Amino acid sequence: KAGVTQTPRYLIKTRGQQVTLSCSPISGHRSVSWYQQTPGQGLQFLFEYFSETQRNKGNFPGRFSGRQFSNSRSEMNVSTLELGDSALYLCASSLATGASTDTQYFGPGTRLTVL
Amino acid sequence: DAKTTQPNSMESNEEEPVHLPCNHSTISGTDYIHWYRQLPSQGPEYVIHGLTSNVNNRMASLAIAEDRKSSTLILHRATLRDAAVYYCILRDGALGYSGGGADGLTFGKGTHLIIQP
Repeated sequence: KAGVTQTPRYLIKTRGQQVTLSCSPISGHRSVSWYQQTPGQGLQFLFEYFSETQRNKGNFPGRFSGRQFSNSRSEMNVSTLELGDSALYLCASSLATGASTDTQYFGPGTRLTVL
Repeated sequence: DAKTTQPNSMESNEEEPVHLPCNHSTISGTDYIHWYRQLPSQGPEYVIHGLTSNVNNRMASLAIAEDRKSSTLILHRATLRDAAVYYCILRDGALGYSGGGADGLTFGKGTHLIIQP
């Protein structure tokens, strides 16, 4: 079974631009979560989607948004990019069978650099 | 949210057992203990999880203290490939998928495990 795939793997943008990142979950997984990883803040939860609905959101500004399609694929968008948005963006998928035992499977991430 | 405390780094020799500690003194009765690790240049990967009893799988063992205020991830025979950052995470088992929403994983700083050949 193929793992979580993320595209693109690397991206360079300039301040003020917007960017869209894509995530394809493992087949059969209904939940997709997004995380931001930076050297200073570590791994931080952005948001989680299930059945095309955002169920939970981390503490990030409204410039960060996402959506999920009917095939469970997900995209996240960052508008008006700032230098501090440079990070590794990770996507994780899960079966969503129960929060206590649900295992999240992570993709390799998209490395975003904002100049 | 209940928090976890882990040492910043640990060093071990190849082919020796490794015990990675995690303190979670404010753990609630419904919190599950999850461990993930992140190898260099990769996304995190699931290692093991448990509630009260010790757990074993092909990757590792999880030993949970009787009062559940601490736990230890045990790698029985470390290899160079086990060099990674290990994260101990609590997940509230009371959260379900019936409309109450699900939380994301709350990662701390983790323990950077160094394996010496």
